[in-house]
Amino acid sequence: RKEVEQDPGPFNVPEGATVAFNCTYSNSASQSFFWYRQDCRKEPKLLMSVYSSGNEDGRFTAQLNRASQYISLLIRDSKLSDSATYLCVVNIGGGNNRLAFGKGNQVVVIP
Amino acid sequence: NAGVTQTPKFQVLKTGQSMTLQCAQDMNHNSMYWYRQDPGMGLRLIYYSASEGTTDKGEVPNGYNVSRLNKREFSLRLESAAPSQTSVYFCASSERIGMNTEAFFGQGTRLTVV
Repeated sequence: RKEVEQDPGPFNVPEGATVAFNCTYSNSASQSFFWYRQDCRKEPKLLMSVYSSGNEDGRFTAQLNRASQYISLLIRDSKLSDSATYLCVVNIGGGNNRLAFGKGNQVVVIP
Repeated sequence: NAGVTQTPKFQVLKTGQSMTLQCAQDMNHNSMYWYRQDPGMGLRLIYYSASEGTTDKGEVPNGYNVSRLNKREFSLRLESAAPSQTSVYFCASSERIGMNTEAFFGQGTRLTVV
Protein backbone atom coordinates (compact mmCIF):
# COMPACT_ATOMS: atom_id res chain seq x y z
CA ARG A 1 0.00 0.00 0.00
CA LYS A 2 1.33 3.42 -0.89
CA GLU A 3 2.19 5.78 1.95
CA VAL A 4 -0.23 8.44 0.73
CA GLU A 5 -2.93 7.87 -1.86
CA GLN A 6 -5.02 10.38 -3.69
CA ASP A 7 -7.41 10.12 -6.62
CA PRO A 8 -5.73 12.43 -9.13
CA GLY A 9 -8.94 13.42 -10.89
CA PRO A 10 -9.31 15.86 -12.58
CA PHE A 11 -12.20 17.23 -10.56
CA ASN A 12 -14.16 19.55 -12.84
CA VAL A 13 -16.10 21.92 -10.62
CA PRO A 14 -18.59 24.61 -11.69
CA GLU A 15 -17.73 28.02 -10.31
CA GLY A 16 -19.52 28.54 -7.00
CA ALA A 17 -19.93 24.83 -6.30
CA THR A 18 -18.43 22.79 -3.49
CA VAL A 19 -15.81 20.12 -4.06
CA ALA A 20 -14.35 17.66 -1.59
CA PHE A 21 -11.73 14.97 -1.80
CA ASN A 22 -9.96 12.56 0.48
CA CYS A 23 -6.49 11.26 0.92
CA THR A 24 -5.61 8.02 2.69
CA TYR A 25 -2.36 7.26 4.48
CA SER A 26 -0.87 3.93 5.45
CA ASN A 27 1.17 4.65 8.57
CA SER A 28 -1.08 4.73 11.61
CA ALA A 29 1.73 6.37 13.60
CA SER A 30 1.65 9.51 11.44
CA GLN A 31 1.15 12.63 13.52
CA SER A 32 1.15 15.59 11.17
CA PHE A 33 -0.90 16.25 8.09
CA PHE A 34 -0.98 19.05 5.56
CA TRP A 35 -2.58 20.20 2.36
CA TYR A 36 -0.30 21.92 -0.14
CA ARG A 37 -1.39 23.68 -3.30
CA GLN A 38 0.62 23.44 -6.50
CA ASP A 39 -0.14 25.57 -9.54
CA CYS A 40 0.87 24.38 -12.98
CA ARG A 41 4.66 24.39 -13.36
CA LYS A 42 5.12 26.04 -9.98
CA GLU A 43 6.41 24.92 -6.61
CA PRO A 44 4.11 23.52 -3.90
CA LYS A 45 2.99 25.94 -1.22
CA LEU A 46 1.36 25.22 2.12
CA LEU A 47 -2.41 25.66 2.01
CA MET A 48 -3.18 24.52 5.54
CA SER A 49 -2.18 22.14 8.28
CA VAL A 50 -4.75 19.57 9.38
CA TYR A 51 -5.51 19.30 13.06
CA SER A 52 -7.22 16.48 14.91
CA SER A 53 -10.29 18.57 15.62
CA GLY A 54 -10.58 19.74 12.02
CA ASN A 55 -9.92 23.27 10.94
CA GLU A 56 -11.25 25.90 8.61
CA ASP A 57 -9.59 28.71 6.72
CA GLY A 58 -12.10 30.80 4.85
CA ARG A 59 -13.68 28.63 2.17
CA PHE A 60 -11.37 25.70 2.92
CA THR A 61 -12.09 23.03 5.53
CA ALA A 62 -9.73 20.21 6.42
CA GLN A 63 -10.60 17.18 8.51
CA LEU A 64 -8.71 14.22 9.90
CA ASN A 65 -10.15 10.76 10.53
CA ARG A 66 -7.53 8.75 12.39
CA ALA A 67 -9.67 5.62 12.73
CA SER A 68 -10.00 5.29 8.97
CA GLN A 69 -6.65 6.93 8.24
CA TYR A 70 -7.75 9.63 5.88
CA ILE A 71 -7.78 13.38 5.65
CA SER A 72 -10.14 15.47 3.60
CA LEU A 73 -10.28 18.89 2.02
CA LEU A 74 -13.47 20.71 1.18
CA ILE A 75 -13.60 23.86 -0.90
CA ARG A 76 -16.80 25.88 -0.77
CA ASP A 77 -17.96 28.51 -3.27
CA SER A 78 -15.21 27.54 -5.73
CA LYS A 79 -13.41 30.36 -7.55
CA LEU A 80 -11.61 30.16 -10.86
CA SER A 81 -8.43 30.91 -8.93
CA ASP A 82 -8.87 27.67 -6.97
CA SER A 83 -7.86 25.70 -10.08
CA ALA A 84 -4.70 23.88 -9.03
CA THR A 85 -3.42 20.55 -7.80
CA TYR A 86 -3.90 19.90 -4.09
CA LEU A 87 -1.24 17.71 -2.52
CA CYS A 88 -1.88 15.65 0.56
CA VAL A 89 1.22 15.54 2.74
CA VAL A 90 1.81 13.31 5.73
CA ASN A 91 4.67 13.32 8.20
CA ILE A 92 5.26 9.60 8.43
CA GLY A 93 7.35 9.86 11.58
CA GLY A 94 10.03 7.37 12.32
CA GLY A 95 13.66 8.35 12.71
CA ASN A 96 13.64 11.13 10.17
CA ASN A 97 10.12 12.53 10.26
CA ARG A 98 9.97 12.37 6.52
CA LEU A 99 7.19 14.10 4.61
CA ALA A 100 5.39 11.79 2.18
CA PHE A 101 3.47 13.41 -0.67
CA GLY A 102 0.43 12.16 -2.50
CA LYS A 103 0.19 12.54 -6.26
CA GLY A 104 -2.32 15.33 -5.85
CA ASN A 105 -5.95 16.06 -6.68
CA GLN A 106 -6.25 18.20 -9.79
CA VAL A 107 -9.10 20.70 -9.52
CA VAL A 108 -10.39 22.60 -12.53
CA VAL A 109 -12.99 25.26 -11.78
CA ILE A 110 -15.20 25.90 -14.78
CA PRO A 111 -16.90 29.26 -15.39
CA ASN B 1 12.16 37.90 0.57
CA ALA B 2 14.09 35.43 -1.56
CA GLY B 3 13.13 32.32 0.45
CA VAL B 4 14.55 29.26 -1.32
CA THR B 5 16.53 29.90 -4.47
CA GLN B 6 17.46 27.18 -6.93
CA THR B 7 19.76 27.36 -9.91
CA PRO B 8 19.58 26.66 -12.76
CA LYS B 9 15.88 26.79 -13.66
CA PHE B 10 16.34 24.71 -16.81
CA GLN B 11 19.07 22.34 -17.94
CA VAL B 12 19.60 19.86 -20.75
CA LEU B 13 22.31 17.25 -20.27
CA LYS B 14 23.67 14.47 -22.41
CA THR B 15 23.75 10.99 -20.94
CA GLY B 16 26.88 10.57 -18.86
CA GLN B 17 27.43 14.26 -18.16
CA SER B 18 27.60 15.54 -14.62
CA MET B 19 26.15 18.63 -13.03
CA THR B 20 25.35 20.19 -9.69
CA LEU B 21 22.03 21.77 -8.77
CA GLN B 22 22.43 24.59 -6.32
CA CYS B 23 20.01 25.56 -3.55
CA ALA B 24 20.21 28.32 -0.97
CA GLN B 25 17.76 29.53 1.66
CA ASP B 26 17.80 32.78 3.59
CA MET B 27 15.33 31.85 6.34
CA ASN B 28 17.93 30.43 8.75
CA HIS B 29 16.27 27.02 8.49
CA ASN B 30 17.97 23.97 9.91
CA SER B 31 16.57 21.35 7.55
CA MET B 32 16.85 21.13 3.79
CA TYR B 33 15.57 18.62 1.24
CA TRP B 34 15.82 17.61 -2.39
CA TYR B 35 12.76 16.15 -4.13
CA ARG B 36 12.04 15.07 -7.66
CA GLN B 37 8.61 15.25 -9.26
CA ASP B 38 7.63 13.08 -12.18
CA PRO B 39 4.25 12.93 -13.95
CA GLY B 40 1.91 10.59 -12.11
CA MET B 41 4.47 9.94 -9.35
CA GLY B 42 4.14 12.80 -6.93
CA LEU B 43 7.06 14.26 -5.05
CA ARG B 44 9.75 11.82 -3.94
CA LEU B 45 12.51 12.59 -1.48
CA ILE B 46 16.04 12.12 -2.82
CA TYR B 47 18.16 13.30 0.11
CA TYR B 48 17.68 15.52 3.10
CA SER B 49 19.79 17.30 5.68
CA ALA B 50 18.33 17.59 9.15
CA SER B 51 20.95 20.12 10.18
CA GLU B 52 24.23 21.58 9.03
CA GLY B 53 26.82 18.82 8.76
CA THR B 54 24.39 15.92 8.33
CA THR B 55 22.83 14.32 5.28
CA ASP B 56 20.65 11.25 4.86
CA LYS B 57 19.16 9.26 2.03
CA GLY B 58 15.52 9.55 1.14
CA GLU B 59 13.37 7.29 -1.00
CA VAL B 60 15.28 7.55 -4.29
CA PRO B 61 18.95 8.41 -3.63
CA ASN B 62 20.59 6.23 -6.30
CA GLY B 63 22.52 8.25 -8.86
CA TYR B 64 22.74 11.36 -6.67
CA ASN B 65 25.04 12.89 -4.10
CA VAL B 66 24.51 15.89 -1.87
CA SER B 67 26.57 18.39 0.07
CA ARG B 68 25.36 20.58 2.90
CA LEU B 69 27.94 23.28 2.35
CA ASN B 70 26.78 25.44 5.25
CA LYS B 71 23.48 26.25 6.92
CA ARG B 72 22.25 28.16 3.87
CA GLU B 73 23.28 25.89 1.01
CA PHE B 74 22.44 22.33 -0.01
CA SER B 75 23.58 21.09 -3.41
CA LEU B 76 22.56 18.02 -5.41
CA ARG B 77 25.03 16.39 -7.79
CA LEU B 78 24.39 14.02 -10.66
CA GLU B 79 27.70 12.32 -11.37
CA SER B 80 26.67 10.54 -14.57
CA ALA B 81 23.28 11.67 -15.79
CA ALA B 82 20.83 9.10 -17.16
CA PRO B 83 17.56 9.65 -19.08
CA SER B 84 15.69 8.25 -16.05
CA GLN B 85 16.83 11.35 -14.16
CA THR B 86 14.80 13.60 -16.43
CA SER B 87 12.51 15.28 -13.94
CA VAL B 88 11.62 18.46 -12.11
CA TYR B 89 13.80 18.90 -9.03
CA PHE B 90 12.65 20.89 -6.02
CA CYS B 91 14.73 22.02 -3.11
CA ALA B 92 12.91 22.76 0.12
CA SER B 93 13.74 23.91 3.61
CA SER B 94 12.02 23.91 6.98
CA GLU B 95 12.85 25.24 10.38
CA ARG B 96 13.49 21.69 11.54
CA ILE B 97 12.47 18.21 10.62
CA GLY B 98 9.45 17.27 12.60
CA MET B 99 5.90 17.90 13.42
CA ASN B 100 3.87 20.72 12.00
CA THR B 101 6.78 22.44 10.36
CA GLU B 102 6.02 24.01 7.02
CA ALA B 103 8.33 23.20 4.14
CA PHE B 104 9.16 26.05 1.74
CA PHE B 105 10.04 25.13 -1.81
CA GLY B 106 12.25 26.66 -4.45
CA GLN B 107 10.89 27.28 -7.93
CA GLY B 108 12.26 24.04 -9.31
CA THR B 109 14.85 22.93 -11.86
CA ARG B 110 13.56 21.30 -15.03
CA LEU B 111 16.21 18.82 -16.09
CA THR B 112 16.17 16.87 -19.34
CA VAL B 113 18.73 14.14 -19.98
CA VAL B 114 19.02 13.12 -23.62
